[in-house]
Amino acid sequence: DAKTTQPTSMDCAEGRAANLPCNHSTISGNEYVYWYRQIHSQGPQYIIHGLKNNETNEMASLIITEDRKSSTLILPHATLRDTAVYYCIVRVYGQNFVFGPGTRLSVLP
Amino acid sequence: EAGVTQSPTHLIKTRGQQATLRCSPISGHTSVYWYQQALGLGLQFLLWYDEGEERNRGNFPPRFSGRQFPNYSSELNVNALELEDSALYLCASSLGITGYPRTDTQYFGPGTRLTVL
Repeated sequence: DAKTTQPTSMDCAEGRAANLPCNHSTISGNEYVYWYRQIHSQGPQYIIHGLKNNETNEMASLIITEDRKSSTLILPHATLRDTAVYYCIVRVYGQNFVFGPGTRLSVLP
Repeated sequence: EAGVTQSPTHLIKTRGQQATLRCSPISGHTSVYWYQQALGLGLQFLLWYDEGEERNRGNFPPRFSGRQFPNYSSELNVNALELEDSALYLCASSLGITGYPRTDTQYFGPGTRLTVL
């Protein structure tokens, strides 16, 4: 079973920041937080991952709380192309990814 | 840099037949993973190969099998096809457990849509 809890769906206005939350209250010290997204019927796309510190790349920012029990993926300026299912996954290096149902993000014009 | 490639894009079979799906990982990646995504459902882990060895297996019957070749490409074989095997089959690759730097972020291919009639 997935170790994370995400909202089923969210809406975001185009051009605004999309903030996607994820709860992982049972995360252990050596588990990383990964985010992927899947646009309809395509292969999942890697977005970002982190262990303790906040991370930023060209796609998004990942904010992890100090107790590591939750995190937020931030898409700074959402576009219609960001409409997808977003998966938050926690895992130890070398273990399988376990995908939950994710959050269906709809970016609205 | 080329991404993960999968073939064929679509495959139509009938019940009882065998299906063979192929995956070529990103250059330099030694690990290949297979996932099944049935319509409207989440991704279910099938198999993991690294350096030619099967490292882990998901909760699937033995008629799902595969192998990894010396060039790190991989095949997934599904024998005695059943209607419920209809799904999108996704392959992912990573640097592998002995790779450097120590990161095994998985990168996915576009998938093979298998339809069993």
